[in-house]
Amino acid sequence: QSALTQPPSASGSPGQSVTISCTGTSNDIGGYNYVSWYQQHPGKAPKVMIFEVSKRPSGVPDRFSGSKSGNTASLTVSGLQAEDEADYYCSSYAGSTNFWVFGGGTKLTVL
Amino acid sequence: QVQLQQSGPGLVKPSQTLSLTCAISGDSVSSNSAAWNWVRQSPSRGLEWLGRTYYRSKWYNNYAVSVKSRITINPDTSKNQFSLQLNSVTPEDTAVYYCARAKVGTGYSGYEFDYWGQGTLVTVSS
Repeated sequence: QSALTQPPSASGSPGQSVTISCTGTSNDIGGYNYVSWYQQHPGKAPKVMIFEVSKRPSGVPDRFSGSKSGNTASLTVSGLQAEDEADYYCSSYAGSTNFWVFGGGTKLTVL
Repeated sequence: QVQLQQSGPGLVKPSQTLSLTCAISGDSVSSNSAAWNWVRQSPSRGLEWLGRTYYRSKWYNNYAVSVKSRITINPDTSKNQFSLQLNSVTPEDTAVYYCARAKVGTGYSGYEFDYWGQGTLVTVSS
């Protein structure tokens, strides 16, 4: 049972936009601007795509964007491409007792 | 370029100790701006942060509540690596274990994991 709640699946056609939600509480997402999103392809390690809610690491396409409202964070992938098909996990800092919590993951399918 | 190379056994017997090592290249385990973490992933528990070690004039450790009584993370400055030991394992500890870096600077705040090891599947079974 993951601390953060994500939909198990999402899908879209090439070129479309998809938004994945991640719901937590005031102890994690709502309490800190330290939400990250990770992309994971099968058999690979996670890769950070978004950090501090909406910042993109160097090399991550600007098709990926993040936002937060209250206790819910969102990842939007615009202009879907085949290589975007992967599992996506949200994460949030949760203070000096629980430190980091993760979502259960969303499988993104590009139709 | 930072690389994290994991090593350790893939099979551990119940009640024994799981031991993994993460060798660092391109950074230092003693860096004053990095923290060195262990994260595991299983179908039943998803991604789970286990703990970290970091150096800020002295060494610090933080551990997840769920494993706090059983876990030790140690730095090895002579080999520029860090290790994970998880005692008294049960089949519930079966997972892919990852080491990961959190770094302050170069745009990052230190609250995200920017480099990951390749992952090690550890199965707890007799």
